[in-house]
Amino acid sequence: AQKITQTQPGMFVQEKEAVTLDCTYDTSDQSYGLFWYKQPSSGEMIFLIYQGSYDEQNATEGRYSLNFQKARKSANLVISASQLGDSAMYFCAMREGEMNTGFQKLVFGTGTRLLVSP
Amino acid sequence: GAVVSQHPSRVICKSGTSVKIECRSLDFQATTMFWYRQFPKQSLMLMATSNEGSKATYEQGVEKDKFLINHASLTLSTLTVTSAHPEDSSFYICSASATRDVSSYEQYFGPGTRLTVT
Repeated sequence: AQKITQTQPGMFVQEKEAVTLDCTYDTSDQSYGLFWYKQPSSGEMIFLIYQGSYDEQNATEGRYSLNFQKARKSANLVISASQLGDSAMYFCAMREGEMNTGFQKLVFGTGTRLLVSP
Repeated sequence: GAVVSQHPSRVICKSGTSVKIECRSLDFQATTMFWYRQFPKQSLMLMATSNEGSKATYEQGVEKDKFLINHASLTLSTLTVTSAHPEDSSFYICSASATRDVSSYEQYFGPGTRLTVT
């Protein structure tokens, strides 16, 4: 079964508008972490934001915020005030494993390609 | 932030030859390194996890004898694709984790290596 699901293969947004990229996850672990990465055409993976399963508040990092709804198992990324440089692939990922294992395996979703237009 | 380099960034090799890809943590000690593979327009798939000084742990379906991983020091891991074939052509990305402290969640990604086997 797919552990990370990103249902939007592509999204379009106009510059300066906000956009939400969807991510749902599936795990039976009580302790897990959720990540969002940006991958521009150059291929590098750029860390954007992290949400721990026990974090009570939604994570925010500048223009990025994570809408964490634990009961629905969703961790949507919200990008406010989109910029042309935001055009890229965006991957949602989940770290699985109990906290005492020290093992940080990441499982990635299939990604969403975001295009920001002027 | 922590920097991870990969060398080479691009490599073209003939079918049947072996190719070595290096992953280095430049300004921190990486107790754990991860190797991912990404086909065009697809997600990252974890191939293996390596801890310094011990054998790599391979994901199901990844051939250990074909993808040799050596994590000889706290700053260097190598992936050798042995007897490469065109179907091995892909984008290979490494990431490094700075500590076994489970509260440290971040993996630092290298810029990737594009392998083309002719």
